[in-house]
Amino acid sequence: GAGVSQSPSNKVTEKGKDVELRCDPISGHTALYWYRQRLGQGLEFLIYFQGNSAPDKSGLPSDRFSAERTGESVSTLTIQRTQQEDSAVYLCASSLGRLSTDTQYFGPGTRLTVL
Amino acid sequence: AQSVTQPDIHITVSEGASLELRCNYSYGATPYLFWYVQSPGQGLQLLLKYFSGDTLVQGIKGFEAEFKRSQSSFNLRKPSVHWSDAAEYFCAVGAPSNTGKLIFGQGTTLQVKP
Repeated sequence: GAGVSQSPSNKVTEKGKDVELRCDPISGHTALYWYRQRLGQGLEFLIYFQGNSAPDKSGLPSDRFSAERTGESVSTLTIQRTQQEDSAVYLCASSLGRLSTDTQYFGPGTRLTVL
Repeated sequence: AQSVTQPDIHITVSEGASLELRCNYSYGATPYLFWYVQSPGQGLQLLLKYFSGDTLVQGIKGFEAEFKRSQSSFNLRKPSVHWSDAAEYFCAVGAPSNTGKLIFGQGTTLQVKP
């Protein structure tokens, strides 16, 4: 079946602009995660959705970052007034349930470059 | 706070040689442990995971990992490396909680020499 998809695959924007990154999880997966991967670093957790609620937003770096999810479907990560330090690959993952034992399946990521 | 350390940023091995990638974690109790692989242009793929029980776990692509509580380690091994194993490898830890959040190490890039 289809895996996790993300769009766009690449996004180049100017400092100060807003960007929206989209994630389509695997159908039927109730849990959805956003992570950020800066160059040469590991993944940093940003936010977790269970259904359309976000019980854990602890990784969002500032109030310029927000995310929403429609039901158990698409999620959008929005970064307002982008800064150069926001340049990274943004990865989305989904899992069948919310337990740590549920395997997370990752999308290919969106590479964001802020000029 | 949970943390994961992968001491080796870059490793080069010859094709056919054995491989061991190191991972150390910091967590108050027994964590859930994962190894993921990220090939160029592809998303992360789960290689194996440990939750409890037998401390030696087998994964896909011929990989295995051993959980050693006394050393807070979860090293990844493969007896004979293939050129297609060249990729970046991430160790991750999760807490037995109801959020599934994972904490990742910085990754180890594996280069395979012919």
